[in-house]
Amino acid sequence: LAKTTQPISMDSYEGQEVNITCSHNNIATNDYITWYQQFPSQGPRFIIQGYKTKVTNEVASLFIPADRKSSTLSLPRVSLSDTAVYYCLVGNNAGNMLTFGGGTRLMVKP
Amino acid sequence: EPEVTQTPSHQVTQMGQEVILRCVPISNHLYFYWYRQILGQKVEFLVSFYNNEISEKSEIFDDQFSVERPDGSNFTLKIRSTKLEDSAMYFCASSDPGQVSSYEQYFGPGTRLTVT
Repeated sequence: LAKTTQPISMDSYEGQEVNITCSHNNIATNDYITWYQQFPSQGPRFIIQGYKTKVTNEVASLFIPADRKSSTLSLPRVSLSDTAVYYCLVGNNAGNMLTFGGGTRLMVKP
Repeated sequence: EPEVTQTPSHQVTQMGQEVILRCVPISNHLYFYWYRQILGQKVEFLVSFYNNEISEKSEIFDDQFSVERPDGSNFTLKIRSTKLEDSAMYFCASSDPGQVSSYEQYFGPGTRLTVT
């Protein structure tokens, strides 16, 4: 499994755009990049997944450069309720286990 | 929106006792998982289950643990003789086999297990 590295924590203010970058230098050709969000005392929740270039959904955007050795999760105009831990995962195949790292603890302040 | 449910939300048990944690995965999903998260630590994979058998398990999932799908809807995790270090939040998850190359798993709200 490709190892991922992401900042331990980030602070932001309401209304700002937040970008969380994840490094995955040894990503394999058939690996996808997936991001999860976890609120305290809740299970992780899938946010977005991509393979290359840019993916956008109603919650976030995911930017993946051509070499795929990193990715950036972009959260537009965060609110206090976006305070959570965000995990970057890399892998492939439905049915495989998820390997969570420490994630990035995002604190959104008023 | 369909969701994974888990019962109980909180279970307190004495060391050495058996516990069964219950989960109802999303109805058309065929892959099932258990994870745990000790307070303040990472989410850790325990076991995955497909086609009525274990497909992967971690080192944590030793002989004290077992999983079962007793009927068409429930998925259970049994810990035979609980230890203090089993105290954690246990999450059940499920995923759709139709989503090839997807890491999208749906997690339940968790069961907080406290071993005293």
